[in-house]
Amino acid sequence: GNSVTQMEGPVTLSEEAFLTINCTYTATGYPSLFWYVQYPGEGLQLLLKATKADDKGSNKGFEATYRKETTSFHLEKGSVQVSDSAVYFCALAPYSSASKIIFGSGTRLSIRP
Amino acid sequence: DAGVIQSPRHEVTEMGQEVTLRCKPISGHNSLFWYRQTMMRGLELLIYFNNNVPIDDSGMPEDRFSAKMPNASFSTLKIQPSEPRDSAVYFCASSLPAGGEPNTGELFFGEGSRLTVL
Repeated sequence: GNSVTQMEGPVTLSEEAFLTINCTYTATGYPSLFWYVQYPGEGLQLLLKATKADDKGSNKGFEATYRKETTSFHLEKGSVQVSDSAVYFCALAPYSSASKIIFGSGTRLSIRP
Repeated sequence: DAGVIQSPRHEVTEMGQEVTLRCKPISGHNSLFWYRQTMMRGLELLIYFNNNVPIDDSGMPEDRFSAKMPNASFSTLKIQPSEPRDSAVYFCASSLPAGGEPNTGELFFGEGSRLTVL
């Protein structure tokens, strides 16, 4: 079946540190992949996406590359800020079941000033 | 353009009471989703609708939960009777139609309804 596995948190970093949050997936066919972010007290919002292999999604300094060979979609940022503190969710949308998006368990990120 | 609107934002009720959560999706979106978020279980899909029709309700915990979508601009999630273990944040989300293309899968979430059952 389809599933998403992401690294467990919480992750605590100092400001300006390099960030990686790992995400791997299991899916049949060619899913679309996403990172969503949830700031405190808010709903989830799309951070970036990639719809086919080798695509790179990017937004707000964050990047993730769709790696079919390793079934991964790791989230990276070169220099994090305190305002990046949030919970990050990796997700996939199966091609065959377009409406049923599958979310990972979320990774809480805290950035120290 | 208004986003997904949920009400109430906070609800505190006593065990056994009926709870109704409401959602107005983004105009033009014809897929609507109800999620529940707790510390223990994370984000769980309860049910989703396409064109007002329930497609998959396998995530609905039990018969105490029911959801309706009487028209394209309104949906409700009802819990009757409520129990303390139903305490959670309930999110509604909507998305654009998939059409003939692979669904890009972008969901637009409301701000959530925080339910506390005492």
